[in-house]
Amino acid sequence: GQQLNQSPQSMFIQEGEDVSMNCTSSSIFNTWLWYKQDPGEGPVLLIALYKAGELTSNGRLTAQFGITRKDSFLNISASIPSDVGIYFCAGPRPNFGNEKLTFGTGTRLTIIP
Amino acid sequence: EPEVTQTPSHQVTQMGQEVILRCVPISNHLYFYWYRQILGQKVEFLVSFYNNEISEKSEIFDDQFSVERPDGSNFTLKIRSTKLEDSAMYFCASSESGVNSPLHFGNGTRLTVT
Repeated sequence: GQQLNQSPQSMFIQEGEDVSMNCTSSSIFNTWLWYKQDPGEGPVLLIALYKAGELTSNGRLTAQFGITRKDSFLNISASIPSDVGIYFCAGPRPNFGNEKLTFGTGTRLTIIP
Repeated sequence: EPEVTQTPSHQVTQMGQEVILRCVPISNHLYFYWYRQILGQKVEFLVSFYNNEISEKSEIFDDQFSVERPDGSNFTLKIRSTKLEDSAMYFCASSESGVNSPLHFGNGTRLTVT
């Protein structure tokens, strides 16, 4: 089946640092989604990307839909303690009528005091 | 802001028992989903439900699983005879118009099978 690979698997950074993570696939996606999951909670949508090359911001978060449609990155600027969590990329398989969202392997972000 | 609510937050059951996980999706949403997340792993699709029927299911969603929308507001996942490997977080989600609109997830039910 389709796999979304995220890197890095985990990050340990200091508060105030910028963060960059990415997501790659062997197959083309027509939509890229970035979710954040806090401990004990469900995933929350951060950014949705619908067009190849699209660059979208949401506050301190910026995400881009790669022009090959096989990758996406998420940047977080000036990290704060509440940024801690697991970040997942996700996307629907690009087949008509398909309702399955495939999630990536996740990047765990930890802020070192 | 409207949200997806799930009950219970934690369910412990013995192997072989039946469990029902409950969800109340956002009221104007038409598409409903169950996902699961085994501890430390990624979120996996189980099933999608639209217009009172299953629209897609994964290979995980075998005959021991079933879903129902019994009364127009609740959306349930039943596991008929639980196995140890069913232990996971189960997330319900809903969306207005399928996967091309934002999916809103509940906070999950942690199922522990002993």
